[in-house]
Amino acid sequence: ETGVTQTPRHLVMGMTNKKSLKCEQHLGHNAMYWYKQSAKKPLELMFVYSLEERVENNSVPSRFSPECPNSSHLFLHLHTLQPEDSALYLCASSQVEFGNTIYFGEGSWLTVV
Amino acid sequence: AQSVTQPDIHITVSEGASLELRCNYSYGATPYLFWYVQSPGQGLQLLLKYFSGDTLVQGIKGFEAEFKRSQSSFNLRKPSVHWSDAAEYFCAVPEGYKLSFGAGTTVTVRA
Repeated sequence: ETGVTQTPRHLVMGMTNKKSLKCEQHLGHNAMYWYKQSAKKPLELMFVYSLEERVENNSVPSRFSPECPNSSHLFLHLHTLQPEDSALYLCASSQVEFGNTIYFGEGSWLTVV
Repeated sequence: AQSVTQPDIHITVSEGASLELRCNYSYGATPYLFWYVQSPGQGLQLLLKYFSGDTLVQGIKGFEAEFKRSQSSFNLRKPSVHWSDAAEYFCAVPEGYKLSFGAGTTVTVRA
């Protein structure tokens, strides 16, 4: 059981498609994150939202577009992706306090064909 | 910037044997330190966290970790490994309110 829910768990999309990943947290947190995890690579922090404001964008290509409509929901909009974008996308949340635990969802497996 | 290093990329251990995973940190003050586990196809789950007090921290699933300031280490241990412990393990240190993760250690458990 997790306080962070991600949908869909698996997604296959063509390079010309537009799709979105959804994340919802039920923990009352005020910060949300998107991470990318590719095979044999370290975790990559993509975006950070603090109090619904984007505070970090780590040189992520514009084909990835995040949206945080409120403190409980986070989306990652995907369009014209490349095969190298195939990865596990992890959503996470925490309180905006130093040393707080970050809680992760189970991830969305994305395959770009 | 604060950071952690996990020297071992992959460890293989027999079921029932002990396990120790290494984590070295770079940090100016007394650190917060975390261990997370990621089972295949899953997200990351917190195993344990250190922020002060007793240097031996107990976590879930029978894991413990020991903070050693003199060695800048926070190694994770389990006395007897189960097949279900096969996973990837990440050490982490705060970077503001975010976490900076190590590269991870993959644990394989053989029967």
